[in-house]
Amino acid sequence: SQQGEEDPQALSIQEGENATMNCSYKTSINNLQWYRQNSGRGLVHLILIRSNEREKHSGRLRVTLDTSKKSSSLLITASRAADTASYFCAASGNTPLVFGKGTRLSVIA
Amino acid sequence: DARVTQTPRHKVTEMGQEVTMRCQPILGHNTVFWYRQTMMQGLELLAYFRNRAPLDDSGMPKDRFSAEMPDATLATLKIQPSEPRDSAVYFCASGLAGAPDTQYFGPGTRLTVL
Repeated sequence: SQQGEEDPQALSIQEGENATMNCSYKTSINNLQWYRQNSGRGLVHLILIRSNEREKHSGRLRVTLDTSKKSSSLLITASRAADTASYFCAASGNTPLVFGKGTRLSVIA
Repeated sequence: DARVTQTPRHKVTEMGQEVTMRCQPILGHNTVFWYRQTMMQGLELLAYFRNRAPLDDSGMPKDRFSAEMPDATLATLKIQPSEPRDSAVYFCASGLAGAPDTQYFGPGTRLTVL
């Protein structure tokens, strides 16, 4: 399957620092997506990067994709306490998105 | 703004009872997904529909779970009989088939089976 697997499982940083989360997947993809989940809520789509793109930016988010290594990273710059959440990647190919178990990010004020 | 709605938001029931969860996808979306989330297993895909037709329900325990789309505005997930191990948060998501296949999640139904 195209399941995304996030690393690390948990990350704790101080407000203002950058947070980097990694994702690995197994097969060829059309795109890779990152989602965020606040405690007790549904997942919210953050950003999508297509297989022919290497880097994409959206506000304080920067996503990279390396299809040769089957990996992606999500960088959140100048983190805020409100960024505390779980972050999931999902690789998209010929089957529906399959989500990993996520990275739990804690941003300490 | 358009969003996926789910009812009920919380459900507490006793083992053996029937549970029905409902989802209203975003108007115009033609794919609907049901997920179950637990701490141990993470987010598991139970079933999904395209244009109201079930495409894959291999993630669902067939003996007790059933998923349907009576019409384009309603998806249901039923558990009969419910068991304590079914306790989880159940999410519905909708989207448009084709690229990109972004999914839009509802707020979830938190199910507790005693």
